[in-house]
Amino acid sequence: DTGVSQDPRHKITKRGQNVTFRCDPISEHNRLYWYRQTLGQGPEFLTYFQNEAQLEKSRLLSDRFSAERPKGSFSTLEIQRTEQGDSAMYLCASSLTFQGARYGYTFGSGTRLTVV
Amino acid sequence: DQQVKQNSPSLSVQEGRISILNCDYTNSMFDYFLWYKKYPAEGPTFLISISSIKDKNEDGRFTVFLNKSAKHLSLHIVPSQPGDSAVYFCAARGNAGGTSYGKLTFGQGTILTVHP
Repeated sequence: DTGVSQDPRHKITKRGQNVTFRCDPISEHNRLYWYRQTLGQGPEFLTYFQNEAQLEKSRLLSDRFSAERPKGSFSTLEIQRTEQGDSAMYLCASSLTFQGARYGYTFGSGTRLTVV
Repeated sequence: DQQVKQNSPSLSVQEGRISILNCDYTNSMFDYFLWYKKYPAEGPTFLISISSIKDKNEDGRFTVFLNKSAKHLSLHIVPSQPGDSAVYFCAARGNAGGTSYGKLTFGQGTILTVHP
């Protein structure tokens, strides 16, 4: 297994455009998480899935953000009508439900979004 | 509100000496605490975790101590090596009885520099 994969690694977009990021978790992990990290801060929780069900969404996730995990495999995070404040590193992580905290959630390398 | 805090933005240590990274939390509903290391342009890498029912966990050069009464944990790295230079994040997972269940709440991070 190659770990958690995120695509693309970098995205530059103009304000007002829509962007979509993809995350492929470790295949046997049933939980998938999205986080956002800005400069000088720790990762902030956005949302997470158990299999295909989205179980929790942060207040940070405005109605311009939507995430899906069809069939409980890969996940996509879409941002509509991007704003400059959306510029950040978007991180995806996966884990097993009952072992995640003990063995650590596995993070991908992230997608760096720059809105110009 | 910042439920997990790392009050030291940076730490500089000589190679071979001990590095001590600190973290404080305010929420008693956390059941696991984790430490991650992060290099620039990469996702966080899991180092070590500790359950809230324990006060110490050790893995090689890394030891985490938990003081529940003080709501404080620390990561000790002995001996420190130049390759340990990175940003270190502490994170906490909410237990099933709280509002943070399943997700990790991160501190702001501490930049560790180990000088040869």
